[in-house]
Parts: sequence; structure tokens; C-alpha cells
Amino acid sequence: DAGVTQSPTHLIKTRGQHVTLRCSPISGHKSVSWYQQVLGQGPQFIFQYYEKEERGRGNFPDRFSARQFPNYSSELNVNALLLGDSALYLCASSLEQSLHFGNGTRLTVT
Amino acid sequence: QQQVKQSPQSLIVQKGGISIINCAYENTAFDYFPWYQQFPGKGPALLIAIRPDVSEKKEGRFTISFNKSAKQFSLHIMDSQPGDSATYFCAASSNFGNEKLTFGTGTRLTIIP
Repeated sequence: DAGVTQSPTHLIKTRGQHVTLRCSPISGHKSVSWYQQVLGQGPQFIFQYYEKEERGRGNFPDRFSARQFPNYSSELNVNALLLGDSALYLCASSLEQSLHFGNGTRLTVT
Repeated sequence: QQQVKQSPQSLIVQKGGISIINCAYENTAFDYFPWYQQFPGKGPALLIAIRPDVSEKKEGRFTISFNKSAKQFSLHIMDSQPGDSATYFCAASSNFGNEKLTFGTGTRLTIIP
């Protein structure tokens, strides 16, 4: 079975630019969550979507937004990139509270 | 405010030994406690999880011990192997309409021959 897939795997952007990260959940999973993992730290919750509706939002600025599509895939958008946005962005899909993560998108902001 | 505290930050164990990682939480609404294993360049992989209605759960060489009154839980890896060398994260969540996981800070485990 295919796990959670994320694209792209790596991305380099310049300060002030915009980025879109994509995620396809495990088949049958209707919930998708996004996490930011800064090097050396645990993942931090950004958003959760279930059936295309936002179920939760973490302590991130409005520059971060997301959406979920009818096929349950999801996009994370970040505007006006800052150097501090450099991190591994993880997508997870879930069934009954059990989260399964993809391998992430490594974003570097220069 | 950090809601899940994890220790130690790093751990070195000899092959065949027992690795023990501890976590403590503050939010009594937490009702799901998973452990994740992460290798460099990969996403966290769910290892084992427990709910507070049991005090221990074992899957192969991995055991979670849970102490509800102390608000603590721990991961024990028996017969530790070099392939277990990775970063381990404890986490917690409450099932109140969302599945937000609050992670600990991670433990870098190294198994030496």
C-alpha cells in the first residue's frame, strides 16, 4: 500500500517568495495534518483538515494557509517567506487518531 | 508552554541492552500516547501507541509503560540493535474533534556494538 506522499522533496526559495507544498494521503484516510519540523526539534502542528474542513490550527501566522480537496489531497501554502520558515514540512494522514507521516518537503529559504 | 517533556536528549546503549526513554505530560485531557521513530531524511514512523486505560503495551521488542497518576509514560526497547539507532519522539493528543499531536523534543538513540 502506498503511504503518504509529499511533493516536492526539496525546495529552495528566496525571502519574500511564496511556496506551495502538496500531500496525498493514504487511501481511505480522510484527515490530513501538516507539521513543521525545525532541525533538532519535534514536529509542530500547523493545520488539520477533515472532509475539506479545517479542524485545527496551530500557533502559526496567517502567512500559512492550507486546503483539502475532494480527493482528500492537501496543499500547504506559505506567503512572504522568512528565513525562519526553513524546515522540514511534514504531512500526515490519519484514521482513528493514528497519524502516519510522509517523508516531508525540505524547504530552505535563502 | 511545553506540554510534553522528554528525556534524555541523547542515549547510548550497548547492543543487546535495554533502551529507556521517558516522557511526562501536563494536559490531563490527553488520551492517546504514541511513540515515533525517525531516521535521518525520513518522516516519523509510528512505532507503538497506548491509551490510558491500560498500564502497559508490548509489541515485539518495544514496550510502553504508562502511569496515569504520575502523568508519565516511557518506551523500553529490549535487546537493542544497531538498526534501532534513530531519533525517538513521544507524543500525545486528545480526541476532541481534532488529532493535533503534541510532540516531545526527541531522544537521539545510538546503539553501539
